Amino acid sequence: KNEVEQSPQNLTAQEGEFITINCSYSVGISALHWLQQHPGGGIVSLFMLSSGKKKHGRLIATINIQEKHSSLHITASHPRDSAVYICAGATGNQFYFGTGTSLTVIP
Amino acid sequence: NAGVTQTPKFRILKIGQSMTLQCTQDMNHNYMYWYRQDPGMGLKLIYYSVGAGITDKGEVPNGYNVSRSTTEDFPLRLELAAPSQTSVYFCASQLWGEKLFFGSGTQLSVL
Repeated sequence: KNEVEQSPQNLTAQEGEFITINCSYSVGISALHWLQQHPGGGIVSLFMLSSGKKKHGRLIATINIQEKHSSLHITASHPRDSAVYICAGATGNQFYFGTGTSLTVIP
Repeated sequence: NAGVTQTPKFRILKIGQSMTLQCTQDMNHNYMYWYRQDPGMGLKLIYYSVGAGITDKGEVPNGYNVSRSTTEDFPLRLELAAPSQTSVYFCASQLWGEKLFFGSGTQLSVL
């Protein structure tokens, strides 16, 4: 069993829909990272959070430390949001990566 | 700032050949990492470094070597390439406890 599990693995949405990607972890971590990877592209860090909620534009990330669960929300989704979203639990300089959620937003 | 610069973007090797993947960062980050990404799998740590002159093995170090002579550079050496090393490789850097910054990746095929 992986230390970090993401759901769903694949997600297709219509443009404008509200999207939620979930991440559960089974190890003790000091921070939770959300990453974005476009097809054939590099990996970009979206958020790093250790408690509560962070917002950047249409993206919102939340974490519940007690439940060991984090969510990434995308409001008013757009085709350019199509990418793989990866969550990673961090403790010190050790990272536990999920296998990613592939999101496709259809116009 | 260029961030993390990784070269080459693509490479095809024959079995038994060697090569070096270059990684340079200009953010004065102390931590640097090499990961490989295989289809359907999470990123796997190959080697990491906590500063110049200090490196350590990650989860999947066999067949690879690294060095860290300066804060900026963290090259990954593949000796005697094998088909199992066909993968996408990412270099990353961070200040301790901060966000990760990734290079653009190297797609390597060993045939």
